[in-house]
Amino acid sequence: AQKITQTQPGMFVQEKEAVTLDCTYDTSDPSYGLFWYKQPSSGEMIFLIYQGSYDQQNATEGRYSLNFQKARKSANLVISASQLGDSAMYFCAMREGGVAGGYNKLIFGAGTRLAVHP
Amino acid sequence: DTAVSQTPKYLVTQMGNDKSIKCEQNLGHDTMYWYKQDSKKFLKIMFSYNNKELIINETVPNRFSPKSPDKAHLNLHINSLELGDSAVYFCASSQSPPVAAFSTDTQYFGPGTRLTVL
Repeated sequence: AQKITQTQPGMFVQEKEAVTLDCTYDTSDPSYGLFWYKQPSSGEMIFLIYQGSYDQQNATEGRYSLNFQKARKSANLVISASQLGDSAMYFCAMREGGVAGGYNKLIFGAGTRLAVHP
Repeated sequence: DTAVSQTPKYLVTQMGNDKSIKCEQNLGHDTMYWYKQDSKKFLKIMFSYNNKELIINETVPNRFSPKSPDKAHLNLHINSLELGDSAVYFCASSQSPPVAAFSTDTQYFGPGTRLTVL
């Protein structure tokens, strides 16, 4: 089964509007971390935001916020006031807490390509 | 002032050749990683080193051999290159190893090396 699912291969948004990129995850581990990364056309992977499974509040970083719905196992990224420079691939990723003594991989979703139109 | 750097950025080579990609981080992190991103943008971990010790070794052909001379460097050597090795290879680092106690730890990525095997 897919651990991380991003159902939107591509999204369009008008400049200055908000956009939500979907991410659902699958884990039975009570301890886990969720991450979002941005990959612009230049290719680098840029860390955007993190949400821990025990965090009470949704994470926010500037124009980025994470809509964390634990019961639904979703961790959607919300970008407010979209800018042309937000056009990129966006990846959701998860690392489970796992068992003591084990190493826990960061698992990525397939990504969503966001295009911001002027 | 690049936090995680990789050389070269582009690598074009013939099938059967041996090549290396170098990675350096100046963040003072203990853990480094190699990821492979295929043509469909799917990103998957290959290896991880913590303080020069191999801690994650995914099912990667043994033609791929990572080497960590010190905790700030993690190089990837590839023998007998094949067409299917064409991809973008990312180096990343994190403060701590990916164990349960540090599931919040963020991984920071290098700019990537685009390898093309002809």
